[in-house]
Amino acid sequence: QVQLVESGGGLVKPGGSLRLSCEASGFTFKDYYMTWIRQAPGKSLEWLAYISSSGSPIYYRDSVKGRFTISRDNAKNSLFLLMNNLRVEDTAIYYCARESSSSWGRFDPWGQGTLVTVSS
Amino acid sequence: QSALTQPPSASGSLGQSVTISCTGTTSDIGGYNYVSWYQQHPGKAPQLIIYEVTKRPSGVPARFSGSKSANTASLTVSGLQADDEADYYCSSYAVNNNFVFGTGTKVTVL
Repeated sequence: QVQLVESGGGLVKPGGSLRLSCEASGFTFKDYYMTWIRQAPGKSLEWLAYISSSGSPIYYRDSVKGRFTISRDNAKNSLFLLMNNLRVEDTAIYYCARESSSSWGRFDPWGQGTLVTVSS
Repeated sequence: QSALTQPPSASGSLGQSVTISCTGTTSDIGGYNYVSWYQQHPGKAPQLIIYEVTKRPSGVPARFSGSKSANTASLTVSGLQADDEADYYCSSYAVNNNFVFGTGTKVTVL
């Protein structure tokens, strides 16, 4: 079945870096856009970035531009999010989700999420 | 990129209906027919239940329906069941290739 599995979360100090991974299975990964979305504890969802099926174009929300980098390896069915200069307010569960290439905002399915905690 | 506005909570009795609103602007909901709704049970990842305002993914019951008028989208859950108790989030495509989510609504089944 279609499945997304995130990994790479953990505890990091402010100013530190972390690289999240999302391994896809059960569908033709290279045919789909992919996206990263996060959810701070007890808060709503926040879209972060998406990447087209080929790797370009890429779009980010303003608050993470220049700090976060989304990328993908279609040969390895994997999506990545490199996060630099992390801030306390980046603490959240980070989800990857598949995005339809023929529709906007159709995020389905989502992975189980990986927790990133930024604290000194 | 301000969040879409949803009521914090909504409730309905078993078998009854509940409607959740999601208010945005002409830069998101009002400008595009790309409104989605997600259901999230505690400790779980969100699940898509409505996309493109009114469409349901396969496997989602017809009890879930969506609509839009001007800058406000709505989700109606009919025939409420105990398992419908969850958090619900709307989202919309927005100008300049952005996406915005709603503030979330906790639905309680009485």
